[in-house]
Amino acid sequence: GDSVTQMEGPVTLSEEAFLTINCTYTATGYPSLFWYVQYPGEGLQLLLKATKADDKGSNKGFEATYRKETTSFHLEKGSVQVSDSAVYFCALRTISSGSARQLTFGSGTQLTVLP
Amino acid sequence: EPEVTQTPSHQVTQMGQEVILHCVPISNHLYFYWYRQILGQKVEFLVSFYNNEISEKSEIFDDQFSVERPDGSNFTLKIRSTKLEDSAMYFCASTLQGWSGTEAFFGQGTRLTVV
Repeated sequence: GDSVTQMEGPVTLSEEAFLTINCTYTATGYPSLFWYVQYPGEGLQLLLKATKADDKGSNKGFEATYRKETTSFHLEKGSVQVSDSAVYFCALRTISSGSARQLTFGSGTQLTVLP
Repeated sequence: EPEVTQTPSHQVTQMGQEVILHCVPISNHLYFYWYRQILGQKVEFLVSFYNNEISEKSEIFDDQFSVERPDGSNFTLKIRSTKLEDSAMYFCASTLQGWSGTEAFFGQGTRLTVV
């Protein structure tokens, strides 16, 4: 079945540090890949996505590239801010002949950015 | 910006009692989902719903669970006889389409505590 393996947390960085959160996946078929973010007290929000190999998703300074050869979708940001403190979830969704395919999530990585 | 709304934000219930969690998906969306997140664990898929019927469900979604779209706007999750292990954050989500690249919009979640 489909699965997502995500870098264990928590991760603590100083402001302006470089961030990488690793994500690898196993999927049947051709998945779309997502990063969701959960700020304290809030729901899950889509941060970025990529729907095919070599696509790069980007948003708010975050980037992730869909690497089919390494089955990876690592999240990166060149300079983190205190406001980036949140839990980050890697997720995938596969194409299906049926409808309403669900997301498969990784375990989440807690990021804390210190001023 | 359209959003998915969940009520209540926190529900405390005694073991064995029935609970109903409420969700109002985005108005023009056609596919609806429930996920749950036990504290410190992964976000897990429970059920998807389309065209007034369940599309898929996980092994977690046993006979104690049911979903309903009682009118044109609400989407509810009922747990018939709650157990301690049902304590979790429950997220509702909706998508406009069912294909893999479609963004899922999540509500803020209902924290269910079973005592």
